Amino acid sequence: NAGVTQTPKFRILKIGQSMTLQCTQDMNHNYMYWYRQDPGMGLKLIYYSVGAGITDKGEVPNGYNVSRSTTEDFPLRLELAAPSQTSVYFCASRPGQGSGYGYTFGSGTRLTVV
Amino acid sequence: GQSLEQPSEVTAVEGAIVQINCTYQTSGFYGLSWYQQHDGGAPTFLSYNALDGLEETGRFSSFLSRSDSYGYLLLQELQMKDSASYFCAVRDHGNDMRFGAGTRLTVKP
Repeated sequence: NAGVTQTPKFRILKIGQSMTLQCTQDMNHNYMYWYRQDPGMGLKLIYYSVGAGITDKGEVPNGYNVSRSTTEDFPLRLELAAPSQTSVYFCASRPGQGSGYGYTFGSGTRLTVV
Repeated sequence: GQSLEQPSEVTAVEGAIVQINCTYQTSGFYGLSWYQQHDGGAPTFLSYNALDGLEETGRFSSFLSRSDSYGYLLLQELQMKDSASYFCAVRDHGNDMRFGAGTRLTVKP
C-alpha cells in the first residue's frame, strides 16, 4: 500500500517552461488536493477534486491546471512557469464524506523556477 | 473576514507538556484539524475535532471550543522527536481545509 505517490521529487524549470506534477493514490480516496508551501509558511490550496471528472479551484489557482480522469490520478499542470511558482507542492487525498477528514499527503515535489 | 492564528514558535524541554493554541475566524465551520510536519517532510494527520471537547490519542490531545472559535493541541511527555512544525487547519467549507502558518516546536534536552 503505497499511499500517495508524487513524482518528480525535485525539478528545476526555466522561466516560461511547462511541466506536469504527477500524483497517484492507491487508497480509493474520492477527494484529492494540491497544495503549495512556501518556505516557513502554511499550505495554500491550489485545486481540489471530489471525484473523477470533477475539479474546483482553491485559494491560489492562477498559473495552474488540473484534471481528474481516474480516481487514482490527479496531475497538476504548470504552464509558462514563473519564479513565483518556486515552492514545494504537496498532493493529498482523503476518503469521501463521512469517512474521515484526515488527509494523507505525498512526500512533495520541490520546484525551483529560474 | 477569515483568519487562522497560531503562535509562530514554541520552545519546551523534554518530558514537559506544551499547548499550541489556534484561533480562527471563518464564514462557516465544520471542524478543526492538526498536522505535524518535520523539516523536509510531508504533513501527517494528528487529529480532527468537529464537536466541542477534548480528544486524546496517546501523548497528543486536541481540544475545540466552537463558541470561542478556539482550539489547541496538547503534547505531553515531550520527546526530542516531537520537534517539528504543527499546523492547525479549519474545514470551513464542505470539501477542503484552510491551513494556518504553523507553529515551530523546539524540544530541548
